[in-house]
Amino acid sequence: ETGVTQTPRHLVMGMTNKKSLKCEQHLGHNAMYWYKQSAKKPLELMFVYNFKEQTENNSVPSRFSPECPNSSHLFLHLHTLQPEDSALYLCASSQNRDEQFFGPGTRLTVL
Amino acid sequence: AQSVTQLDSQVPVFEEAPVELRCNYSSSVSVYLFWYVQYPNQGLQLLLKYLSGSTLVKGINGFEAEFNKSQTSFHLRKPSVHISDTAEYFCAVSDTNDYKLSFGAGTTVTVRA
Repeated sequence: ETGVTQTPRHLVMGMTNKKSLKCEQHLGHNAMYWYKQSAKKPLELMFVYNFKEQTENNSVPSRFSPECPNSSHLFLHLHTLQPEDSALYLCASSQNRDEQFFGPGTRLTVL
Repeated sequence: AQSVTQLDSQVPVFEEAPVELRCNYSSSVSVYLFWYVQYPNQGLQLLLKYLSGSTLVKGINGFEAEFNKSQTSFHLRKPSVHISDTAEYFCAVSDTNDYKLSFGAGTTVTVRA
């Protein structure tokens, strides 16, 4: 595997389910990010981790819970989501403040 | 905080014609500037970036952009587009002292034969 990978690529869940999104970067970067991409809206930064420490939480509802066990892995735990949370969730990584490398995203649908 | 405005939401263009995608930003501090491309069902891929130095930046796939500090712009150009350039294009800006990227809303480019 190369670059940034995300699993699953597609996820359908009910509002009472609990699920997790996984991101893995194979680039040796020290920073990882979660973004939400909704139709016709700018990408919204959700969380930033730098050397496994959370450095940014962009006023994200608590039903989204990130976890960064090491510099290569990033999770987004989901519980009691709302239909408006349906979107493409993108993970990215970077070495310091240089360009961010993005994964292919997880398309989430909340029923 | 920074903000980005992409002035065109949709740009239709014929194959082999030139294209320009406009991007303006606002910031009170020094910035880095980026253009990303997103093909259908894929993540974002970096086209080019401006960190410092020459204001004319060349990127992949024949794209280039010019940083204009006085006009706070970073417009993207390609002299001759291909069908494969059909995609969504995002302009982004970051504070040179920060990890956060602020994105524009995107410009959808549709190339027709």
